[in-house]
Amino acid sequence: GQNIDQPTEMTATEGAIVQINCTYQTSGFNGLFWYQQHAGEAPTFLSYNVLDGLEEKGRFSSFLSRSKGYSYLLLKELQMKDSASYLCAVKDSNYQLIWGAGTKLIIKP
Amino acid sequence: GAVVSQHPSWVICKSGTSVKIECRSLDFQATTMFWYRQFPKQSLMLMATSNEGSKATYEQGVEKDKFLINHASLTLSTLTVTSAHPEDSSFYICSASPLGTESYEQYFGPGTRLTVT
Repeated sequence: GQNIDQPTEMTATEGAIVQINCTYQTSGFNGLFWYQQHAGEAPTFLSYNVLDGLEEKGRFSSFLSRSKGYSYLLLKELQMKDSASYLCAVKDSNYQLIWGAGTKLIIKP
Repeated sequence: GAVVSQHPSWVICKSGTSVKIECRSLDFQATTMFWYRQFPKQSLMLMATSNEGSKATYEQGVEKDKFLINHASLTLSTLTVTSAHPEDSSFYICSASPLGTESYEQYFGPGTRLTVT
């Protein structure tokens, strides 16, 4: 079966750095996505990785290792507004998005 | 940037009635639109994939006669929840991919919160 694992909840301090991990087992791979979802709202796109390595976009970076079936989302200089759920999703061989359950990130002052 | 709208943003209906939710891609054409359902504190659950001009593909366990999907044009897909029951109360979200199945990004609508009383 297809499976995506990420921690259920993480807590971090404002101004700090946090890394959210995601491991996946899917039938084929056509890219990995990270989305941010605030409570009661739809997800918004953060990043896309299809090749190994680090993609940096402002305070957010995403890393991919296809051989390990592993990705992480790195958030720097945390702000209170970063409190949200972070969803990892993988496109399989049929280009269908397989979603993780999401990681709820709590930022404390 | 690509924008997807949904209407209504929230709706309350009585048990047994039907509710239609619209999903529109405002500034791009989408051959494929996706309908998701999300219960509180749970992840997105794909309900169906909607392709313009053809029948929708439903995920296992989703009743196609209860959740009617119509994708009449490259910019509009509708989801009708027929004979709604309280257990259908959920957050329904659509998303769309621009033309080309290899497009890497899905653009999400703002969601529709359905409450069935």
